[in-house]
Amino acid sequence: AQKVTQAQTEISVVEKEDVTLDCVYETRDTTYYLFWYKQPPSGELVFLIRRNSFDEQNEISGRYSWNFQKSTSSFNFTITASQVVDSAVYFCALRETSGSRLTFGEGTQLTVNP
Amino acid sequence: DTEVTQTPKHLVMGMTNKKSLKCEQHMGHRAMYWYKQKAKKPPELMFVYSYEKLSINESVPSRFSPECPNSSLLNLHLHALQPEDSALYLCASSQGLAGGPAPGYEQYFGPGTRLTVT
Repeated sequence: AQKVTQAQTEISVVEKEDVTLDCVYETRDTTYYLFWYKQPPSGELVFLIRRNSFDEQNEISGRYSWNFQKSTSSFNFTITASQVVDSAVYFCALRETSGSRLTFGEGTQLTVNP
Repeated sequence: DTEVTQTPKHLVMGMTNKKSLKCEQHMGHRAMYWYKQKAKKPPELMFVYSYEKLSINESVPSRFSPECPNSSLLNLHLHALQPEDSALYLCASSQGLAGGPAPGYEQYFGPGTRLTVT
């Protein structure tokens, strides 16, 4: 069975600090897909990134970067020089090739204080 | 254009009312989803449509009735709801395959309908 664990329930930082959100997953499939979503207070889930299990390249997009490590089953997300607008709940999610369901972690509430 | 729209934004209904939630996307996606999200929890999958056919029903009570009139529209009909059904209802869409949603593609979510059952 697939499972996603986001051990950090809440993180609070001061603006301009770097912050890393952890995500650990479990799956028996050899091919799977990992996602990060952002949910601001308005409620809409915003897609941030998709990573395929066969592509371990890390990715950077502006202030956002993702570190995918199959050896430790982790897909961590780092925000560099955080801003108040980054305050949101962030969800890591997993989808197996064999399944139709997107399994979400419990989410991490990030608060960036001015 | 990666927009999924949902109406209404907010809905308050009594336990004897009948109402409908609407979702629309124009991205050419052939898989559409309904999720329910309670406060401080992740979204829970309710239904999946692939090519306008219901492919997954996560044992949702019959007081929730989904409908997919065409490839761009998804409705959720509500009847005789309970106060515990109060939640944020999210619609999403993604690329689909004839046999079901394509797993390797991201889902795009709408802004949700915040439902309160009194």
